[in-house]
Amino acid sequence: ETGVTQTPRHLVMGMTNKKSLKCEQHLGHNAMYWYKQSAKKPLELMFVYSLEERVENNSVPSRFSPECPNSSHLFLHLHTLQPEDSALYLCASSQGDTDTQYFGPGTRLTVL
Amino acid sequence: GENVEQHPSTLSVQEGDSAVIKCTYSDSASNYFPWYKQELGKRPQLIIDIRSNVGEKKDQRIAVTLNKTAKHFSLHITETQPEDSAVYFCAASIGDSGYSTLTFGKGTMLLVSP
Repeated sequence: ETGVTQTPRHLVMGMTNKKSLKCEQHLGHNAMYWYKQSAKKPLELMFVYSLEERVENNSVPSRFSPECPNSSHLFLHLHTLQPEDSALYLCASSQGDTDTQYFGPGTRLTVL
Repeated sequence: GENVEQHPSTLSVQEGDSAVIKCTYSDSASNYFPWYKQELGKRPQLIIDIRSNVGEKKDQRIAVTLNKTAKHFSLHITETQPEDSAVYFCAASIGDSGYSTLTFGKGTMLLVSP
């Protein structure tokens, strides 16, 4: 349960705020992911980092900005969000030569 | 890109019954198929996975079958228990680039009644 951690667990922000979500993995993995989970929708992949390089960006609005300073940490910087961005944001990690992804507990984001 | 369809969206069973959840995928290049269980307010947790070189895999009360020709795979839970109640997600991935890009189904809410 402590392999992938996320902070904060809950976040309420106004549309003009700037905030950051943090993810840390303690599994020695070299790939990290951000997902968005909204009600009644599949998990949506937002960003993928492999060996600290961004390898995928699935048409995510520029108000979401990822950062991967090293293989253990991943951030998602948020600015001028919209109410429809309210969701559970999940981080995951995997080891390059396997496909299994391990998820963090998520940050429940509410945009007012 | 890959598209994964999952059915049913909700499934209610009595304790002790079996439950089956089915998924189809569109990209024949997909080669990795995990299943995740997500309890209310918790993270998705991997419960079983299968790769395209295997047709069936079993782990105690849980089994997954894969039909590559038809591009569908299924989760089977036998002797269901109330603690099996959760949302189950299937996913498909082409994982040969040093990372995996999972495409998820919409999820199945399983309710097991005592």
